[in-house]
Amino acid sequence: GQSLEQPSEVTAVEGAIVQINCTYQTSGFYGLSWYQQHDGGAPTFLSYNALDGLEETGRFSSFLSRSDSYGYLLLQELQMKDSASYFCAVRDRGISSGSARQLTFGSGTQLTVLP
Amino acid sequence: KAGVTQTPRYLIKTRGQQVTLSCSPISGHRSVSWYQQTPGQGLQFLFEYFSETQRNKGNFPGRFSGRQFSNSRSEMNVSTLELGDSALYLCASSEGQGAGGYTFGSGTRLTVV
Repeated sequence: GQSLEQPSEVTAVEGAIVQINCTYQTSGFYGLSWYQQHDGGAPTFLSYNALDGLEETGRFSSFLSRSDSYGYLLLQELQMKDSASYFCAVRDRGISSGSARQLTFGSGTQLTVLP
Repeated sequence: KAGVTQTPRYLIKTRGQQVTLSCSPISGHRSVSWYQQTPGQGLQFLFEYFSETQRNKGNFPGRFSGRQFSNSRSEMNVSTLELGDSALYLCASSEGQGAGGYTFGSGTRLTVV
């Protein structure tokens, strides 16, 4: 079956660096995505890793190791507005036997940034 | 360009009723996925449509169904509503298989009483 593990809560102070880890078990893995969701808002796409290595987008970076079924999201120079839930999501075949792909989400990490 | 539009934003229904939710994807996006979000279960995949065909389906009972129209707009229907169906229903669109990321709508908050 499919499963993703990520910490439920992380707390850090403004200006700090925080890393949110994600481990996964899935079949037909295509890539790992990260989404941010503020309370009452829609999830917004942050990054996608299909290959091993680090992808950097501004203050956010995402890493993937396919051999370890592991990835992380790194947030630098934390700001108060970064307080939100962060979801890792694997792009895989799900329960389909075909080539269609879907996103399976982890349970989310609530990041609290303190002043 | 306009984002993903979901209507209605809020809905209250009685147990046993049925409900239809609507999603208009970003112009040019042919893939529409639906998710159910609850505090206990997180984001659960319901189904995905591409060019009017259901491409993938999550592990939900047959009471949950959907369809996509030729203009890529999608609807999902839940029949014989149960209290446990109370959730935020999110629609997401993408150009193809979603490698470039999915764009989510703000969701429909369904409350079943």
